[in-house]
Amino acid sequence: QKEVEQDPGPLSVPEGAIVSLNCTYSNSAFQYFMWYRQYSRKGPELLMYTYSSGNKEDGRFTAQVDKSSKYISLFIRDSQPSDSATYLCAMSAGGSNYKLTFGKGTLLTVNP
Amino acid sequence: IAGITQAPTSQILAAGRRMTLRCTQDMRHNAMYWYRQDLGLGLRLIHYSNTAGTTGKGEVPDGYSVSRANTDDFPLTLASAVPSQTSVYFCASSAKTGAGELFFGEGSRLTVL
Repeated sequence: QKEVEQDPGPLSVPEGAIVSLNCTYSNSAFQYFMWYRQYSRKGPELLMYTYSSGNKEDGRFTAQVDKSSKYISLFIRDSQPSDSATYLCAMSAGGSNYKLTFGKGTLLTVNP
Repeated sequence: IAGITQAPTSQILAAGRRMTLRCTQDMRHNAMYWYRQDLGLGLRLIHYSNTAGTTGKGEVPDGYSVSRANTDDFPLTLASAVPSQTSVYFCASSAKTGAGELFFGEGSRLTVL
C-alpha cells in the first residue's frame, strides 16, 4: 500500500457545485496535513494547513482530518472556474528529518 | 516579491551533458528542497537541506547532487543527464524544518534527448 493515496480524477463539475477531494494514508505518525493547489505550468501553493485531527475553514474551503480513519478531505463550496487546478494533499510526521509526502494530485475542472 | 526563483524555466539537453538547475530564495528560510514532478508519479523529493552547509537524500537522489554553500542558494546538478531525468523540477523552501509550509518556485522543465 502506498503511503498516501489520492484519486487522480479528472473531476469535472458545474460552477456552484460542492467539490469533495480526498486522500487516505497509511502512516499513523503523520500529524501535519496540507492541501496545495497547482495551476497549469505553475508551482504548487499552500491552500490549507491542519495539525492533527479536526476541521479548518477558510472562506469557501474546508479541510477535514480524521486520524482514526487515516483520511483527509478538502471541500470547496460554491466552486468557481478559477478553482480549476490540480489539488495535492501532503502530510508529514514532523521532526528534524522533515519529509513531506505528497499525493499524486486530483485534476479539477469547474465548468462555467 | 520574488520568493523562490528558478532558472532556467525550460531546457532541452543532450544525454550525457552536465546540467545545473539554479534556485535562489529571498525569504531567509532555513530549509530548501528539490522535487521532480512526473505525470502519474506526483511530486518526489530528490534532495533537501535543513540549513546552510548540510544536505540530505530524498526519495529519488540517484544521478543528482546538491550543495548549500549559503542560505539563499540551492543548486541541483545532473552530472551526466539521462532521458529518464526528463521532468519538471521544483525548488521549495520552508522556514521551519519540522513541518512548515513549503513555498515553491515556478519550476524548471527539463527535456533530456
